[in-house]
Amino acid sequence: GDSVTQMEGPVTLSEEAFLTINCTYTATGYPSLFWYVQYPGEGLQLLLKATKADDKGSNKGFEATYRKETTSFHLEKGSVQVSDSAVYFCALSPPSSASKIIFGSGTRLSIRP
Amino acid sequence: DSGVTQTPKHLITATGQRVTLRCSPRSGDLSVYWYQQSLDQGLQFLIHYYNGEERAKGNILERFSAQQFPDLHSELNLSSLELGDSALYFCASSVVGGRGETQYFGPGTRLLVL
Repeated sequence: GDSVTQMEGPVTLSEEAFLTINCTYTATGYPSLFWYVQYPGEGLQLLLKATKADDKGSNKGFEATYRKETTSFHLEKGSVQVSDSAVYFCALSPPSSASKIIFGSGTRLSIRP
Repeated sequence: DSGVTQTPKHLITATGQRVTLRCSPRSGDLSVYWYQQSLDQGLQFLIHYYNGEERAKGNILERFSAQQFPDLHSELNLSSLELGDSALYFCASSVVGGRGETQYFGPGTRLLVL
């Protein structure tokens, strides 16, 4: 079935470091891909999305490119800030069902000042 | 603030009891989704309603049920509660529920079953 695998956390970085959180997926056809972020004590917020191959989603300095050939959607940011500390979820919406979003297990990111 | 509201914020109850969680979608959104977030299962899709009708079911137990009312708010009913039902329950909404559409999440209801 459809699934999302993302790198285990926690990830701890210093401020201004480069961030990569790996995400790969398994799905039939062309799913839509998302990154959601969950700040402490809050609900999930959409960070960025891509709906077709080679699309790049970007927001708040974060980027991810939909790579069909490697079934990946890695999240990157050039220079992280303390305020980026949160849990990041990679997710997909399968073409077979527009209703649901399938989430990865989440990666906790902590940024040291 | 996503515009999706959920009540209550916290709920503590005992095994065997029944609770109702409430969700109000963003203004104009016709689709409502329910998700469960637990430590062992992660975030799982439960059910989707569109304009009052059930559209899709995920990993929802038979002890759980949901409905969406004419004013588009939704309720998730959990009955015969077990310890393992302790989790964070999120509601999300979107405009119609189309493919690739962004879902906007509420702040969640934290349920603790003792």
